[in-house]
Amino acid sequence: ETGVTQTPRHLVMGMTNKKSLKCEQHLGHNAMYWYKQSAKKPLELMFVYNFKEQTENNSVPSRFSPECPNSSHLFLHLHTLQPEDSALYLCASSPNAGASYEQYFGPGTRLTVT
Amino acid sequence: SQQGEEDPQALSIQEGENATMNCSYKTSINNLQWYRQNSGRGLVHLILIRSNEREKHSGRLRVTLDTSKKSSSLLITASRAADTASYFCATDGGSNYKLTFGKGTLLTVNP
Repeated sequence: ETGVTQTPRHLVMGMTNKKSLKCEQHLGHNAMYWYKQSAKKPLELMFVYNFKEQTENNSVPSRFSPECPNSSHLFLHLHTLQPEDSALYLCASSPNAGASYEQYFGPGTRLTVT
Repeated sequence: SQQGEEDPQALSIQEGENATMNCSYKTSINNLQWYRQNSGRGLVHLILIRSNEREKHSGRLRVTLDTSKKSSSLLITASRAADTASYFCATDGGSNYKLTFGKGTLLTVNP
């Protein structure tokens, strides 16, 4: 276990549904990240939060809405998704935001959009 | 654009053999990291090597960095079936916040 948990582990949703992914870290880190991993593509950074403030939005469509109520919790709210949004969504944390820190990843949420 | 690119895309070896994976990148970096991912799971950090370092070791892992060639290699010695996973390099590309990952090398270690 890396100290980062994600729920649910699997999610199937229709294009008109609204759902949320949850991430929690028990490491005392200040930075949290959302990544998208699709088959045969590199891991894509979506959002970065540092001390609850969003520091990076990597041109993510507005149908993905992040929320970071505190440094330990991160949510990804989903609405009106497309089939191409089906992927493994990974949450990560690090001591502070920055590429010089190692990142600790959760196990991911496997999302299928039908 | 993709910063790190791993080579080969797939590697199959026998248990006990050594496995070498390479990573090439395009722009200057401050550091380079290697991660492992078991099928369908999250990534696990292996080693971080800074631009002023040439080699680092961690157990059976050895990472080298050649900034003049913009390349890094990950060597796993005396491989085990449990080493079967995808291995990714990640670079900062000089950026402060963003780690950019490659597509990975899928390593299969046959018992």
